[in-house]
Amino acid sequence: SQQGEEDPQALSIQEGENATMNCSYKTSINNLQWYRQNSGRGLVHLILIRSNEREKHSGRLRVTLDTSKKSSSLLITASRAADTASYFCATEAGSARQLTFGSGTQLTVLP
Amino acid sequence: KAGVTQTPRYLIKTRGQQVTLSCSPISGHRSVSWYQQTPGQGLQFLFEYFSETQRNKGNFPGRFSGRQFSNSRSEMNVSTLELGDSALYLCASSLGQGDNEQFFGPGTRLTVL
Repeated sequence: SQQGEEDPQALSIQEGENATMNCSYKTSINNLQWYRQNSGRGLVHLILIRSNEREKHSGRLRVTLDTSKKSSSLLITASRAADTASYFCATEAGSARQLTFGSGTQLTVLP
Repeated sequence: KAGVTQTPRYLIKTRGQQVTLSCSPISGHRSVSWYQQTPGQGLQFLFEYFSETQRNKGNFPGRFSGRQFSNSRSEMNVSTLELGDSALYLCASSLGQGDNEQFFGPGTRLTVL
């Protein structure tokens, strides 16, 4: 079963614009990770944010985490056509080293 | 450092057959996890191995099994294949302790006819 939902399910923007994706989850977590997947290929790790962190940056990526609302957001600034992909959030909870994935957001960046 | 490798990349089998998939983690990583990805169910956790021991198991039938070798390489086996087993099977490697990223391989695309 999936931990939570991602919103929106699909997002289409113009190159240069910012893209924001949201993720909600259900249980307390140790950390939350964001991944990118291109056309049914493997997942590329983007960023990990721990439960005691509120914001993290990596290049054009900004991730926020609100544990009180059990939600996270991923912001991609100045998007490029190459950012077109599916984006997934995944949570790790308790002592189990397993990721529980959201349903994903399909991002399309138009040139 | 070389990334996670999975073999084979594509596989076609018929119902009732069995299949073995292989995963080589990043050097130094001791944890290997397996996930199944389908359009209907999304990404679902199968199991995780650390130092040759299964630490966690997802909610899959006993037809799905795995093992890990002393060099951390892992294999996953599916017996008595069903049409619904058609999926992308992904393995991920990590250090296995503390908060750390899981790095995924390219996946094995299994088609069951």
